[in-house]
Amino acid sequence: EDQVTQSPEALRLQEGESSSLNCSYTVSGLRGLFWYRQDPGKGPEFLFTLYSAGEEKEKERLKATLTKKESFLHITAPKPEDSATYLCAVDGSSNTGKLIFGQGTTLQVKP
Amino acid sequence: DTGVSQNPRHKITKRGQNVTFRCDPISEHNRLYWYRQTLGQGPEFLTYFQNEAQLEKSRLLSDRFSAERPKGSFSTLEIQRTEQGDSAMYLCASSQYGSGNEQFFGPGTRLTVL
Repeated sequence: EDQVTQSPEALRLQEGESSSLNCSYTVSGLRGLFWYRQDPGKGPEFLFTLYSAGEEKEKERLKATLTKKESFLHITAPKPEDSATYLCAVDGSSNTGKLIFGQGTTLQVKP
Repeated sequence: DTGVSQNPRHKITKRGQNVTFRCDPISEHNRLYWYRQTLGQGPEFLTYFQNEAQLEKSRLLSDRFSAERPKGSFSTLEIQRTEQGDSAMYLCASSQYGSGNEQFFGPGTRLTVL
């Protein structure tokens, strides 16, 4: 059964303090790993898709990387507006493309 | 704006009542998904449509839940005889088959069952 575990559950950073969020996954065949950002009371906002180990993608202060067992979301010099819950999901064993999500990491960036 | 839209945004109902939610996907997307999210958890898959065909339902989806996607356009999710445990955010997402399965989510419908 496909599984996704994210750590830490919550992270508090000072503005400018870089850090990384972890997503560990277990799938029989990875079709894609997805990162989303979710603000309170809103739907998830698509950030990145990674397909194979060694792949990296960047967007502003965010950089996502992928290995065969885990993915990292690196946040460089975060700003208060980066505060949100970051969700990791895998498209794994199903042919339907359904996503299996982790429980998320809630990031708070203080000015 | 051509994003995914959902209505209503909020629904408060009494236990035992029926509720129906609507999702309008991105127009060129042929795949549509429903997920449910409770506080502090990630979204959980409920069901999936490719065009008008419902191709997968979660084992967690009881017989009280039904979904349709007539003509492969908008979709509805109905919950009959609601229970307090149905209180959650119901999310709809759409994607285009063959494009990498990037799913784009709507704003969700927040259901509260009293």
